[in-house]
Amino acid sequence: ETGVTQSPTHLIKTRGQQVTLRCSSQSGHNTVSWYQQALGQGPQFIFQYYREEENGRGNFPPRFSGLQFPNYSSELNVNALELDDSALYLCASSLRAGMAANYGYTFGSGTRLTVV
Amino acid sequence: AQRVTQPEKLLSVFKGAPVELKCNYSYSGSPELFWYVQYSRQRLQLLLRHISRESIKGFTADLNKGETSFHLKKPFAQEEDSAMYYCALKMGGGNKLTFGTGTQLKVEL
Repeated sequence: ETGVTQSPTHLIKTRGQQVTLRCSSQSGHNTVSWYQQALGQGPQFIFQYYREEENGRGNFPPRFSGLQFPNYSSELNVNALELDDSALYLCASSLRAGMAANYGYTFGSGTRLTVV
Repeated sequence: AQRVTQPEKLLSVFKGAPVELKCNYSYSGSPELFWYVQYSRQRLQLLLRHISRESIKGFTADLNKGETSFHLKKPFAQEEDSAMYYCALKMGGGNKLTFGTGTQLKVEL
C-alpha cells in the first residue's frame, strides 16, 4: 500500500508567476484535500476534491484552483503568486468525502513553496 | 466561525511526568475533535478521535462540551512522545478540518 506522494518537495517562484503542485493519493482513497501551512501555523483548508469535482472550499481566493483526475491524483494551481503564498502545501487523501475527516486523512510530506 | 485554540506553543516535561496539552474550540454545533501528531521528519498523522474514545500510545482526550475543551493527556510522558501536536475540529456534516496552531511537546530526560 502506497502513501500520499507530493511533488516537487521544494519550489522557488517569483511574485506574479503561476505554480502547479501535484499529489498522488493513497491507494484506494478517492478524496483529496489540500491544506496550506504557513510558518508557525496549523494547516488551513484550501479545498477538497471528490470524483473530480470540488467538494468544499476554504477562505482562499479564486486564484487557488485545483483538479482531480480519474486515478484520484490531484493538482493545486496558484496564479499570480504573492509573497504571502510562501508556505508548506499539504495534500491529504481519504476514503470517502463525507467521512473524510472522521477516519483521518493520510497526509503527504508537503511541498515547500517560496515566493520571492 | 469555528476556531481552535492551543494556548501553549511549547510544553516541556520530564520523562515520567504527566502531560496535558490544552485545546479549546469555539463552535456552536456538534463538533468532532481530533488530535494529530507530527514526529520529527515525519508526516502529520492522526493520533486519536473523540468519537472513538480510544487510547493511543497511552494518550487519551475527553470532549468537554461545557468547557468547549478537548485536552490531550498522558499519565507518564516518554521520550518518544516529543513531537508537534495539533488539535483539529470538524463541523458536523462538514468536510474540512480546522487546526489549531499546534503545541511542541518536549520530553526531557
